[in-house]
Amino acid sequence: QVQLQESGPGLVKPSQTLSLTCTVSGGSISSAGYYWSWIRQHPGKGLEWIGYIYHTGNTYYNPSLKSRVTMSVDTSKKEFSLKLGFLTVADTAVYYCARRDSSGSYFDSWGQGTLVTVSS
Amino acid sequence: SYVLTQPPSVSVAPGQTARIACGGNNIGSKSVHWYQQKPGQAPVLVVYDDTDRPSGIPERFSGSNSGNTATLTISRVEAGDEADYYCQVWDSGSGHYVFGTGTKVTVL
Repeated sequence: QVQLQESGPGLVKPSQTLSLTCTVSGGSISSAGYYWSWIRQHPGKGLEWIGYIYHTGNTYYNPSLKSRVTMSVDTSKKEFSLKLGFLTVADTAVYYCARRDSSGSYFDSWGQGTLVTVSS
Repeated sequence: SYVLTQPPSVSVAPGQTARIACGGNNIGSKSVHWYQQKPGQAPVLVVYDDTDRPSGIPERFSGSNSGNTATLTISRVEAGDEADYYCQVWDSGSGHYVFGTGTKVTVL
C-alpha cells in the first residue's frame, strides 16, 4: 500500500514562497499512469486541487493558481514538490499530496496533510 | 468552470439511511467519486466511478449518478460515519479536478 508524507515549514511570511515535499513509500513514483497531485483545504472549507505532476515531469496546474505554482519531481528520491509564490494570508491552508489512480480520475491515496500558515 | 453543489448538512439517526446529493450540469455524463473526511484527517475514497467501492469500504456505502445529480447513500448509518463528505469529478472541458462544496453528516 503506497504511503505519502508531506514535509515543509508550517509558517511562512507573506510575499514569500512556500516549498513542500511529498515522499512516496510502498510503491514506485515512476509507475505508469499515476499522477502526483497537490490539494489544499482552507480552514473549515472545502478541497481545492492545485495541480499534478507526472513522473516524466509533465505538469498541469489549476489556472487560478498557475501563475504562482511550480511542481517538480525527483524519481531517485521518490519525492515530488510544490512551490507556491507570492503568498498571502489567503494561502493559509492544509496542504495534501495525493496520488491520482492510473485507471481513473480519482485520488486513491493521500498524505496526512500539513498545515501552512501565512503570517508576518 | 464546472461547479458541484452539495447540501451543507444531512442529519440521520443510527440505523437509518443517509443520502447525500451532488449537483452538477449533466453530471450523469461524468464519473463521480466520493470521499469521507473525519476531523483532523485526510480524505478517504469511499466510492469511485459512480458506484464502485475501494477494498475495505463497507457495502453500506453506495453511489448512483444520473442526469444532473449524483448521490452517495449510506445505509444502516453508524456513529462512525459522522464526517464530511465530498464529491469530485474530472472536468474534461478544463482538465481540472473539481470537488463539491462538502456535506457534513451528523448522526443523531
